Amino acid sequence: NAGVTQTPKFQVLKTGQSMTLQCAQDMNHEYMSWYRQDPGMGLRLIHYSVGAGITDQGEVPNGYNVSRSTTEDFPLRLLSAAPSQTSVYFCASSYTRTGRESPLHFGNGTRLTVT
Amino acid sequence: AQSVAQPEDQVNVAEGNPLTVKCTYSVSGNPYLFWYVQYPNRGLQFLLKYITGDNLVKGSYGFEAEFNKSQTSFHLKKPSALVSDSALYFCAVSDPRGPSSGSARQLTFGSGTQLTVLP
Repeated sequence: NAGVTQTPKFQVLKTGQSMTLQCAQDMNHEYMSWYRQDPGMGLRLIHYSVGAGITDQGEVPNGYNVSRSTTEDFPLRLLSAAPSQTSVYFCASSYTRTGRESPLHFGNGTRLTVT
Repeated sequence: AQSVAQPEDQVNVAEGNPLTVKCTYSVSGNPYLFWYVQYPNRGLQFLLKYITGDNLVKGSYGFEAEFNKSQTSFHLKKPSALVSDSALYFCAVSDPRGPSSGSARQLTFGSGTQLTVLP
């Protein structure tokens, strides 16, 4: 049981490049989400999903796309990277559908630098 | 809109002393409250939660938190701190009667408190 797995751990992009951050969970959780962590700002929700085929926007969705074709996977796509997207990105999942009353299980993060 | 505040960016405490990490919240109704801990280069780990019931909640690693509705607070406590407790701590809140979709229905995290336990 690996929990929540994120790849890559580190990534450097140039402005304008695109990339996909991968997230997979093996706990059969319906709820999955992406957060970004910036110093002094805590975690901010980017996008979330309450099940396969269902996604919704979080607090800071601009510049990011998501899809949920399977229960296990929830990739985050950066369409055209900007320096403001330099951050640490966390994927999290939860066994309840709503994602607000049960604990979140976090991956170990992807540290992204955009130059 | 829901919000959560952690008024202290940094808390220092000597090993063996009691520790408190403060959290206050704002929601329209009764909140769901959580504490998470983050060790360097790792994701957040769940410590404890308050949903309903007893105001004193016990969690992992000897931590506990007290829900105080009148003061809208949910402070994290431990009777005797360990050096290994040094980490970044996050409080989070959600509103169970919030909107059915969108970011407002999700968890809102505080900005975090760095706890350093000195040997």
